[in-house]
Amino acid sequence: EAQVTQNPRYLITVTGKKLTVTCSQNMNHEYMSWYRQDPGLGLRQIYYSMNVEVTDKGDVPEGYKVSRKEKRNFPLILESPSPNQTSLYFCASSFDRSSYNSPLHFGNGTRLTVT
Amino acid sequence: EDKVVQSPLSLVVHEGDTVTLNCSYEVTNFRSLLWYKQEKKAPTFLFMLTSSGIEKKSGRLSSILDKKELFSILNITATQTGDSAVYLCAVGARNTNAGKSTFGDGTTLTVKP
Repeated sequence: EAQVTQNPRYLITVTGKKLTVTCSQNMNHEYMSWYRQDPGLGLRQIYYSMNVEVTDKGDVPEGYKVSRKEKRNFPLILESPSPNQTSLYFCASSFDRSSYNSPLHFGNGTRLTVT
Repeated sequence: EDKVVQSPLSLVVHEGDTVTLNCSYEVTNFRSLLWYKQEKKAPTFLFMLTSSGIEKKSGRLSSILDKKELFSILNITATQTGDSAVYLCAVGARNTNAGKSTFGDGTTLTVKP
């Protein structure tokens, strides 16, 4: 089944403890991206990748890191999480390298709580 | 800075009503506008619009883009409780950051039986 898989689905952690949220897609998509969603707000883009070894900042990159060593994987790393990073996170991928030529396929989300 | 504004922010209707959701945008080098439906989990794709005046239709849902006035509408006729969701609008622009995508804050639609 074609899908974007995120893990874990739920995560509770403490301030400063490094964590990684994994994202994997099996559709051979070129483009991958991370978003966060907070109550009453839409999706805000954190980082995106248009190709292997190519990543770039979205609108809210502070406090996050990503890497794209393989086409299928795009992990999100929080080196020192803080409470303001408590949010619902979505990973997404699309066939085309740009953000505008093909629709996004989303993972099921990771709900992160930082205390 | 690219901007996408959706209205209304929330809407409550009864089954059988027709609703119109709005999405206006200010972006440089616009390329496409996409609508997604989010039901308590991952957003799912509805429509992608690139040309003005061409209506996209899927069952009771339809959408159209006006590139002159910089907006799109999403219509849902004969609403059902299963249409209750957050509807998100996103805009893609061809600029130096071709990978950036900008979403609106969404419209929360509640359909009552």
